[in-house]
Amino acid sequence: DIQMTQSPSSLSASVGDRVTITCRASQSISGYLNWYQQKPGKAPKLLIYAASSLQSGVPSRFSGSGSGTDFTLSISGLQPEDFATYYCQQSHSSPRTFGQGTKLEIK
Amino acid sequence: EVQLVESGGGLVKPGGSLRISCAASGFTLSTYKMTWVRQAPGKGLEWVSSISISTTYIYYAKSVKGRFTISRDDAKNSLYLQMNSLRVEDTAVYYCARMTARGPHNWFDPWGQGTLVTVSS
Repeated sequence: DIQMTQSPSSLSASVGDRVTITCRASQSISGYLNWYQQKPGKAPKLLIYAASSLQSGVPSRFSGSGSGTDFTLSISGLQPEDFATYYCQQSHSSPRTFGQGTKLEIK
Repeated sequence: EVQLVESGGGLVKPGGSLRISCAASGFTLSTYKMTWVRQAPGKGLEWVSSISISTTYIYYAKSVKGRFTISRDDAKNSLYLQMNSLRVEDTAVYYCARMTARGPHNWFDPWGQGTLVTVSS
């Protein structure tokens, strides 16, 4: 199985900051990487698919990059509604594994 | 509006069984692969099972293989997960999600609101 490792596990930031979350795969997954946002008590929501494609309706302050084993999710100009937990997920092969999550908290 | 609504969760004793359902609306279920993902309390997301169009291919996580069965009824626009021999560690919110694809890429979107399964004596 492909292991997905996110860093950091938690992150404190202020409104207006730019933050970057990293996701590393245990083997090359080309660009088969998705990012989800989850708020407490809610279902996950797709943000980015195929490593860098922004899902319709998602603000342009979210961006994704990377290929192979190393990927990043960046959020520029943090808004209050962005404080949540973020997960990466590989779609290269089954089982479709997730990272352990990165909790973004208000400083 | 595309929507998924799970139901059937509840409290069950270890060793017991439960079937949860996912009702789809706003799209034609028969043209999509579907999946179940679970989340234990305070933990991350864990993929559980996926089913292809026409039930040609079915996949399970090692942790549930042999105990859980995924199925679909396209005529009823519904997805199911039959869970047998339940364990305390199966306690989680279970989400159904549509597997959307574009070219070789695929992702889970949208997701249902989830249904809580609690396994406890």
